[in-house]
Amino acid sequence: GAVVSQHPSWVICKSGTSVKIECRSLDFQATTMFWYRQFPKQSLMLMATSNEGSKATYEQGVEKDKFLINHASLTLSTLTVTSAHPEDSSFYICSALLGGNQPQHFGDGTRLSIL
Amino acid sequence: GIQVEQSPPDLILQEGANSTLRCNFSDSVNNLQWFHQNPWGQLINLFYIPSGTKQNGRLSATTVATERYSLLYISSSQTTDSGVYFCAVGPGTASKLTFGTGTRLQVTL
Repeated sequence: GAVVSQHPSWVICKSGTSVKIECRSLDFQATTMFWYRQFPKQSLMLMATSNEGSKATYEQGVEKDKFLINHASLTLSTLTVTSAHPEDSSFYICSALLGGNQPQHFGDGTRLSIL
Repeated sequence: GIQVEQSPPDLILQEGANSTLRCNFSDSVNNLQWFHQNPWGQLINLFYIPSGTKQNGRLSATTVATERYSLLYISSSQTTDSGVYFCAVGPGTASKLTFGTGTRLQVTL
């Protein structure tokens, strides 16, 4: 079946650091990938839609200069949290579209902790 | 945007019991997925069910799109069923998903 790999699975870093998270579709090409964020005890909230070869579309309230998204190929999208602060600590999870009448497939998520 | 409400918010079951989880949504959808989020945060895709009924082992789901709700049935629950169950909907098959509020299930021995 369709597999989405997300890396790293866990990051702990100091405040002010930039962190890059990768999302790869391993056995299919994904023209569209999505990035979600989940705070403890809450639901998942969409941050942005990433389309291969074009700029990402950000949801209202998500700072595009802080959360940089690059979708340079049909199998890879990256999310970079720039100058991360403790309030950016969260669970970040990506998904990829196989296309047609198919469900979204999700990565295993990245738990980001900023000290 | 679409509003997605799930009920009940919390559920405690004894092993072997059956349960029904509900997902109500405020607008027409062409995409609906049910997920189980395990304690490690992984989202397990249970069903892709924008309409109709599907079954997979002890789990089954029904979506009545015209009435804007979906139901997830869990039979003979096991402790490994514990976690949070989310439904997520979208207006189109290739659209972004809006996640529901979730149902936190705990199955005890």
